[in-house]
Amino acid sequence: EVQLLESGGNLVQPGGSLRLSCAASGFTFTTYAMSWVRQAPGKGLEWVSGISGNGGSTYYADSEKGRFTISRDNSKNTLYLQMNSLRAEDTAVYYCAKQLIVGATVFDYWGQGTLVTVSS
Amino acid sequence: EIVMTQSPATLSVSPGERATLSCRASQSVSSNLAWYQQKPGQAPRLLIYAASARATNVPARFSGSGSGTEFTLTISSLQSEDFAVYSCQQYSNWPLTFGGGTRVEIK
Repeated sequence: EVQLLESGGNLVQPGGSLRLSCAASGFTFTTYAMSWVRQAPGKGLEWVSGISGNGGSTYYADSEKGRFTISRDNSKNTLYLQMNSLRAEDTAVYYCAKQLIVGATVFDYWGQGTLVTVSS
Repeated sequence: EIVMTQSPATLSVSPGERATLSCRASQSVSSNLAWYQQKPGQAPRLLIYAASARATNVPARFSGSGSGTEFTLTISSLQSEDFAVYSCQQYSNWPLTFGGGTRVEIK
């Protein structure tokens, strides 16, 4: 059974940093690209960042470029999102999501989400 | 970036009726379009990918159509468990983008 378990969400002050983790199990982690998708309270889904299966390629939404860094440790089956210079508008539930098939960046499995709140 | 626009924002439908949801892309995404369902407090669930392919275990009452810039999700006969928010997503270009969602509510 595929499982994705996010952690690391917390209350952080504006300008602060946070690292999110997503522990994956139930599938061959190295085969699949992974992404982070967020959802602000009462709002729609927003893709944040993605990474290829071997970690060699990374992609970011324009608003996150330079502030967020996605990475993965395939030996630990874990996905990460390092978030720096956090802003109030980064407040959201952050989901990690698994790519359905190679070559199609749609997401067939999602974690339960971890809440990041940026506030003073 | 490609902007995805969904309409209507809210759709009121009676159980057993047909629901038709629209998604428009600001430029062609070919058939690289997915639909998700999301219920309150839950993660999204993939329904449709490649514009018309149903994901695993998705009931046949859900169907997708379209290509290029115009797409439709049809729920042929709404069941109680189908009342939720539906979002489209393009995966033709980076960055990936989602529509704002359509809420399907009980009439």
